[in-house]
Amino acid sequence: SAVISQKPSRDICQRGTSLTIQCQVDSQVTMMFWYRQQPGQSLTLIATANQGSEATYESGFVIDKFPISRPNLTFSTLTVSNMSPEDSSIYLCSVLLAGVGNEQFFGPGTRLTVL
Amino acid sequence: GQQLNQSPQSMFIQEGEDVSMNCTSSSIFNTWLWYKQDPGEGPVLLIALYKAGELTSNGRLTAQFGITRKDSFLNISASIPSDVGIYFCAGQPVQRAQKLVFGQGTRLTINP
Repeated sequence: SAVISQKPSRDICQRGTSLTIQCQVDSQVTMMFWYRQQPGQSLTLIATANQGSEATYESGFVIDKFPISRPNLTFSTLTVSNMSPEDSSIYLCSVLLAGVGNEQFFGPGTRLTVL
Repeated sequence: GQQLNQSPQSMFIQEGEDVSMNCTSSSIFNTWLWYKQDPGEGPVLLIALYKAGELTSNGRLTAQFGITRKDSFLNISASIPSDVGIYFCAGQPVQRAQKLVFGQGTRLTINP
């Protein structure tokens, strides 16, 4: 496995503002992903973070709302823009490690509350 | 799109009992994964399955990749208090390499 860290671990934000979440991995990574987990719900894939190019977004998610960067192999950021209370969720990054098949490993998550 | 139906949604058992949960889909999957999530934590991978019919164990946990490639189950034997949490199945669809679809989760509660 790998050590995956996320910052911040939690935050409380005002509507209309933006928050950038960071994900850092200590191992060689082939792919990085961002998920959303709404309160009491399962995980939904937001996008695949591509190194050096635009992220690939899933249906229902757009770049203007969730801009993503991945400047190198082991680091990515997700921004939640122009937040509303409906954006209150846990945001999780996950990674595929080099040589470890299709097993995704998750970070501890960022718990976001929007007032 | 692909959906996973995970059941049961919740379970209330006595310590020492065995637990069984499963996931089904109308689509075929290449990989099945089982995760456990504790409050305030990210999901932790328990078992990964790659071949139809594969049966894999991890301590008291056993999981199987269904022959039809459309289902999987997870069994926990002799449950202990630390088994409490939410268990998620996740599948990698044939047409969506490296991307996972998650089940709705099974919340396990254990009475000591």
